[in-house]
Amino acid sequence: RKEVEQDPGPFNVPEGATVAFNCTYSNSASQSFFWYRQDCRKEPKLLMSVYSSGNEDGRFTAQLNRASQYISLLIRDSKLSDSATYLCAVTPMYSGGGADGLTFGKGTHLIIQP
Amino acid sequence: DTEVTQTPKHLVMGMTNKKSLKCEQHMGHRAMYWYKQKAKKPPELMFVYSYEKLSINESVPSRFSPECPNSSLLNLHLHALQPEDSALYLCASSSPQGTYFGPGTRLTVT
Repeated sequence: RKEVEQDPGPFNVPEGATVAFNCTYSNSASQSFFWYRQDCRKEPKLLMSVYSSGNEDGRFTAQLNRASQYISLLIRDSKLSDSATYLCAVTPMYSGGGADGLTFGKGTHLIIQP
Repeated sequence: DTEVTQTPKHLVMGMTNKKSLKCEQHMGHRAMYWYKQKAKKPPELMFVYSYEKLSINESVPSRFSPECPNSSLLNLHLHALQPEDSALYLCASSSPQGTYFGPGTRLTVT
């Protein structure tokens, strides 16, 4: 399985700041991209799918750059509750995981400080 | 509703035991998965079931045996595990919108 790479952090960010993570993928056949949030000792929770045109959900914005093979996640006005590990995931299929399952990056640990 | 349920939440078993992990979803998803997650590592795919048929086995040792009794249920049968198999075992199902994980079974092999 091809690699998905993320900066593990930790990112220590003051409350209210904007923070951005990137995730690079090596398999150019990758078609579907996702960001997950995982709290300590909990399951990954789907945060956003990442579309070619980019997409926004409240304070969260995801972008895809196919030419450079990376996806990004921007969090604006960060809250204490945003502290978590953020995992990017890719799959070769146009699907939510489809027949191939997801390949995850190692995750970026985010700590929002008061 | 994007709920995947798993039982048990915690399991401690000896290396000679046989146990089973259970997973259920009622979202009508036709793809279901088992992932394994070790501490401070990302989830790693073990098995994929598509329309109740095993489509991917990621070179998982035979001491792990998956079963899909119907489109809502997924089991993982465990036998003669090793201490290094201790991990969080996550079940998931997917739609075109994404993959949704259950809360996991935290397995300890003694």
